Amino acid sequence: GESVGLHLPTLSVQEGDNSIINCAYSNSASDYFIWYKQESGKGPQFIIDIRSNMDKRQGQRVTVLLNKTVKHLSLQIAATQPGDSAVYFCAEIRGGGATNKLIFGTGTLLAVQP
Amino acid sequence: ETGVTQSPTHLIKTRGQQVTLRCSSQSGHNTVSWYQQALGQGPQFIFQYYREEENGRGNFPPRFSGLQFPNYSSELNVNALELDDSALYLCASSGWELWSSHDTQYFGPGTRLTVL
Repeated sequence: GESVGLHLPTLSVQEGDNSIINCAYSNSASDYFIWYKQESGKGPQFIIDIRSNMDKRQGQRVTVLLNKTVKHLSLQIAATQPGDSAVYFCAEIRGGGATNKLIFGTGTLLAVQP
Repeated sequence: ETGVTQSPTHLIKTRGQQVTLRCSSQSGHNTVSWYQQALGQGPQFIFQYYREEENGRGNFPPRFSGLQFPNYSSELNVNALELDDSALYLCASSGWELWSSHDTQYFGPGTRLTVL
């Protein structure tokens, strides 16, 4: 079936290190991808997005890479800080529909060790 | 923080009861989407409203219904509550942005519903 999933459910990193969170998707028709950060007790917070006609996009301390050949998406966080500890979700929107519904993966818990 | 607000924050109901959850969208956004997030899972799309009309629905039964008002705020109604309806219910608002071919969805803090 079609899905957006994550390779690693939990990622533990040291403060100051770079973090890489991975995501696989199965539908080649997906044309828009978003990374969300969700802290405990809060709603998902938009981090960065990328369209399928791009392979890289950078934000503040974050970079998203898209490899359409292997249907893989990653989020890189530079100089990880304790405030980055949260669950990270990748989500996709599949093109061609009238509804921009987000299809989420199951999430990766990022734990930043001081 | 987004400009999306939801009420109430928490709610406890018993099986068979009905519940109404409310969402105020971010200023300038005309589309509201509702998601259900079970513990430890990613959010699942329930439905979306655009200009007061339902604009797509996920795999949820008809006892999940919604409304959108002229000011773009929205309600999610769930009838005949079941234990499995216990979840965090998230509202997201979106509107066309010049730099994106898709509406970016911004989420509210959610309503935690517990069904006993």
